[in-house]
Amino acid sequence: AQSVTQLGSHVSVSEGALVLLRCNYSSSVPPYLFWYVQYPNQGLQLLLKYTSAATLVKGINGFEAEFKKSETSFHLTKPSAHMSDAAEYFCARHGDNQGGKLIFGQGTELSVKP
Amino acid sequence: GAGVSQSPSNKVTEKGKDVELRCDPISGHTALYWYRQSLGQGLEFLIYFQGNSAPDKSGLPSDRFSAERTGGSVSTLTIQRTQQEDSAVYLCASSPNGGRRYFGPGTRLTVL
Repeated sequence: AQSVTQLGSHVSVSEGALVLLRCNYSSSVPPYLFWYVQYPNQGLQLLLKYTSAATLVKGINGFEAEFKKSETSFHLTKPSAHMSDAAEYFCARHGDNQGGKLIFGQGTELSVKP
Repeated sequence: GAGVSQSPSNKVTEKGKDVELRCDPISGHTALYWYRQSLGQGLEFLIYFQGNSAPDKSGLPSDRFSAERTGGSVSTLTIQRTQQEDSAVYLCASSPNGGRRYFGPGTRLTVL
């Protein structure tokens, strides 16, 4: 079955600390993978995407994610958290039809402490 | 340029009433998607329109839910005989040919 699993519904880090948000997917064929961010009272924004080119993908706002086929993972990282990074983050993948629906993880709320 | 817009931004209705939610996609985008974001369910795919093809309705939770896309542009999501479990934020997104999706701000639906 196609699915996306995000470990931890809530992650809290101190400002300046490493951010690590975990995402694992299930699929026999590596799908296209995405990370979206939703700031309070705003719509979803694309952070970055993996489309089978480079396995290390750089996104906006200093975020990056590494695709690891052996671990079926696509974890999101940022070396140094900023207060403005507080938001909800969603990992997603394409369904069988690459141009069709996105399958989202449950989301991880990131809190950043001063 | 204008992004995806949705109206209303908030809708409060009584159980059993019908509601219509509107999505105006980015001009020229051929693909349009509806998602639902609710507590405990995360983000759920509802329906997907691509050009003139038959829509992918595989995510619609029941026959009370339907959606139309008129003229390849504006879309309306209709929920008939609303139930309390329909309360959620309904998100619309559009994309050029199924590529990057641009999400609207959502409509928050509350069913009393």
